[in-house]
Amino acid sequence: QKEVEQDPGPLSVPEGAIVSLNCTYSNSAFQYFMWYRQYSRKGPELLMYTYSSGNKEDGRFTAQVDKSSKYISLFIRDSQPSDSATYLCAMSGVGGTSYGKLTFGQGTILTVHP
Amino acid sequence: GAVVSQHPSRVICKSGTSVKIECRSLDFQATTMFWYRQFPKQSLMLMATSNEGSKATYEQGVEKDKFLINHASLTLSTLTVTSAHPEDSSFYICSAQIKPGDQPQHFGDGTRLSIL
Repeated sequence: QKEVEQDPGPLSVPEGAIVSLNCTYSNSAFQYFMWYRQYSRKGPELLMYTYSSGNKEDGRFTAQVDKSSKYISLFIRDSQPSDSATYLCAMSGVGGTSYGKLTFGQGTILTVHP
Repeated sequence: GAVVSQHPSRVICKSGTSVKIECRSLDFQATTMFWYRQFPKQSLMLMATSNEGSKATYEQGVEKDKFLINHASLTLSTLTVTSAHPEDSSFYICSAQIKPGDQPQHFGDGTRLSIL
């Protein structure tokens, strides 16, 4: 079993839809939770960053972390064609052998069609 | 802020040559840089952790003599793929942290390496 599981999709939605992306994880030591967006042939771009549990909102994006369920989500409101990309969840612990290292999900390919 | 620049963005070269990829933090000093490899339609796989002034730490299964990493300053890390072969063709991405364990990491735009 992978430490971080993410449905690779692909996910196709109409413009304006609410998109829900999620990841589950097994390592209870993870404390930092990130969502990155990656366009084709580009490096990952940080979208959201959360420490420990809770919700965080930034414009059209909302990130949720439920550590009790080991489950994180990213919601995109009013999705746009420019949101079409691969979305990667990533996690890190605060100490031990995983200190500073990110563990990525497989990535979900999202297409928003006009 | 937190811009990471990677150069070159694309390399095509013959089998047997060595290729150097640079990763620079432009507006901050990075104590730690990471090197990742990404195959098509797959996620990022960590290759090694590079700390300024010390030897890199490689992940299991990554050949340290094949992938030479140098982190000589707080703003520059280099990855050299030695005697590259077609199976080394991949997308290589670096990231940087201001201090060890600091999140989030900031990524460069990657280098697409093609070995003929």
